[in-house]
Amino acid sequence: SQKIEQNSEALNIQEGKTATLTCNYTNYSPAYLQWYRQDPGRGPVFLLLIRENEKEKRKERLKVTFDTTLKQSLFHITASQPADSATYLCALKNNAGNMLTFGGGTRLMVKP
Amino acid sequence: GAGVSQSPSNKVTEKGKDVELRCDPISGHTALYWYRQSLGQGLEFLIYFQGNSAPDKSGLPSDRFSAERTGGSVSTLTIQRTQQEDSAVYLCASTSLSGSGYNEQFFGPGTRLTVL
Repeated sequence: SQKIEQNSEALNIQEGKTATLTCNYTNYSPAYLQWYRQDPGRGPVFLLLIRENEKEKRKERLKVTFDTTLKQSLFHITASQPADSATYLCALKNNAGNMLTFGGGTRLMVKP
Repeated sequence: GAGVSQSPSNKVTEKGKDVELRCDPISGHTALYWYRQSLGQGLEFLIYFQGNSAPDKSGLPSDRFSAERTGGSVSTLTIQRTQQEDSAVYLCASTSLSGSGYNEQFFGPGTRLTVL
């Protein structure tokens, strides 16, 4: 069966360190993968998209990698700040169909 | 409006009652999605509308759930005979079709539904 897995345990890190979040998938042929940020009581907000033929994407302090052999995407936040504390969701678009399927999200807590 | 709006923001209802949740997508966006998010969980796809095509209803959990999109814009999600397990946040998202396919989804703030 198809699965998208993110670590359900919260990730606690110290301000200034690099946060690394993992998204693993099985039984997908992805066209692209997206990362979203969700704050409590709000809808998710798009951060980055990476296509299946791209290895890495950067945007300011954010970096996403995509390894279709390992079936894994890593999401990095460098020089993390307390304001980065939120839940981060990965979402995958299959080559077939129109649906974007979301992982369960990982909560990041950055402590000052 | 500048973004996706949803109403009501909160809805408390009694078990067995029907509820209607509304979504106003970003003007010009051709695709609209409904998701359900239970406490501490990820997003569960419910239904997808694209232009005038037949909607993809594959995520609707039961026949108590239905949705429509009038005039390719506003959408209403209806839950009949609500059950306590329907309690969740219902999120709507819209997106536009780019040359490479659908890209980022723009989400509304959600409707928190509580069934007593």
